[in-house]
Amino acid sequence: EVQLVESGGGLVQPGGSLRLSCAASGFTLSRYRMHWVRQAPGKGLVWVSCIESDGSRTNYAESVKGRLTISRDTAKNTLYLQMSSLRAEDTAVYFCARDYLGLGVWGQGTTVTVSS
Amino acid sequence: QSALTQPRSVSGSPGQSVTISCTGTSSDVGGYNYVSWYQQHPTKAPKVMIYDVSERPSGVPDRFSGSKSGNTASLTISGLQAEDEADYYCCSYTGSSVVFGGGTKLTVL
Repeated sequence: EVQLVESGGGLVQPGGSLRLSCAASGFTLSRYRMHWVRQAPGKGLVWVSCIESDGSRTNYAESVKGRLTISRDTAKNTLYLQMSSLRAEDTAVYFCARDYLGLGVWGQGTTVTVSS
Repeated sequence: QSALTQPRSVSGSPGQSVTISCTGTSSDVGGYNYVSWYQQHPTKAPKVMIYDVSERPSGVPDRFSGSKSGNTASLTISGLQAEDEADYYCCSYTGSSVVFGGGTKLTVL
């Protein structure tokens, strides 16, 4: 079964760091462009970042450039989002998604809360 | 990249049809045939309902259809059912990333 499972969310203070993971199963993550999408409480979906299938290029929303870094470990078949200099406005559920036939597979999300 | 524009809410009675619009620019919706639509029920992950403007993934009822004209894409749901009540988001490729619409809450009366 094709599946994505996020982990690593939690409560962090402003200015702090966190690393989110997205474990893929049932497919090889490095054959697809992968995305991170977030959703603040009661708000809509917002694209955060993506990494090309060959890992050659990454892109970021302007609001997270320089603070969030997308990467992957092909051996572990896992996607990551390293988050630093976190702000209150980064509070959200973070989803990873596979880019095939639209964003055809999503994880269940992991919650990040930035608060003192 | 500004969010695509969707109506905040639409409603319809069971059996009726509703259409949700999604307006962008020539740099996103109008520039690529890569518009997709997502259904999201409360506390659930989004689910793709339409991709590449009008393609329906396996398992999605044919009551769901998509189209595009210029910078505006549309999702039409015919034969409304109670389980269609959810939030719907459009999404477009932009060349180097994707952009979502603000979301539309569909109420089945």
